[in-house]
Amino acid sequence: KAGVTQTPRYLIKTRGQQVTLSCSPISGHRSVSWYQQTPGQGLQFLFEYFSETQRNKGNFPGRFSGRQFSNSRSEMNVSTLELGDSALYLCASSFTAYGYTFGSGTRLTVV
Amino acid sequence: AQTVTQSQPEMSVQEAETVTLSCTYDTSESNYYLFWYKQPPSRQMILVIRQEAYKQQNATENRFSVNFQKAAKSFSLKISDSQLGDTAMYFCAFMIAGGTSYGKLTFGQGTILTVHP
Repeated sequence: KAGVTQTPRYLIKTRGQQVTLSCSPISGHRSVSWYQQTPGQGLQFLFEYFSETQRNKGNFPGRFSGRQFSNSRSEMNVSTLELGDSALYLCASSFTAYGYTFGSGTRLTVV
Repeated sequence: AQTVTQSQPEMSVQEAETVTLSCTYDTSESNYYLFWYKQPPSRQMILVIRQEAYKQQNATENRFSVNFQKAAKSFSLKISDSQLGDTAMYFCAFMIAGGTSYGKLTFGQGTILTVHP
């Protein structure tokens, strides 16, 4: 059974640009959550999608957005990148709330 | 708001020995889940063990076990017979069961565990 796949693994962007990250959940998992991980703030919840609907959202500015497709694949978009957006972005999928399986993340560097 | 505190930034243990990682949390909720995840240098968060708050019995997964003290809001992880592959960052996490807290895990700051040969 394939795990959660995140692409790309690494990304370097310039301040002011926008970026789109992709997450393919485990087959059959309909819930997809996104997290930002930084050394200073730790792991912070961005948002959760289920059946193409955003059900929950963390405390991030509107520059951070996401969506989910009918096949449960999810994308996260960050517009007008800032240096502080440099982080590891993790995606997790779940069939139930009992346990989330994480991907290996996308390392975003903003220069 | 829920908070999770891991008071040990770093710990080390000799191979084959036992180590306990501490975690406390604060919540007014009565129904929730608690998790321990490990994050090795490969970056992938791996679920180690989980506990439902309504269960009094402590969860066990092979060499990993927890000591869940609901009244004290404490959730420690014991690793027995430590192995070199256990070297990783360990995160304690909390999730409210039901309601509108869909998909939201609240994590502690993590504990770096190093297993020495």
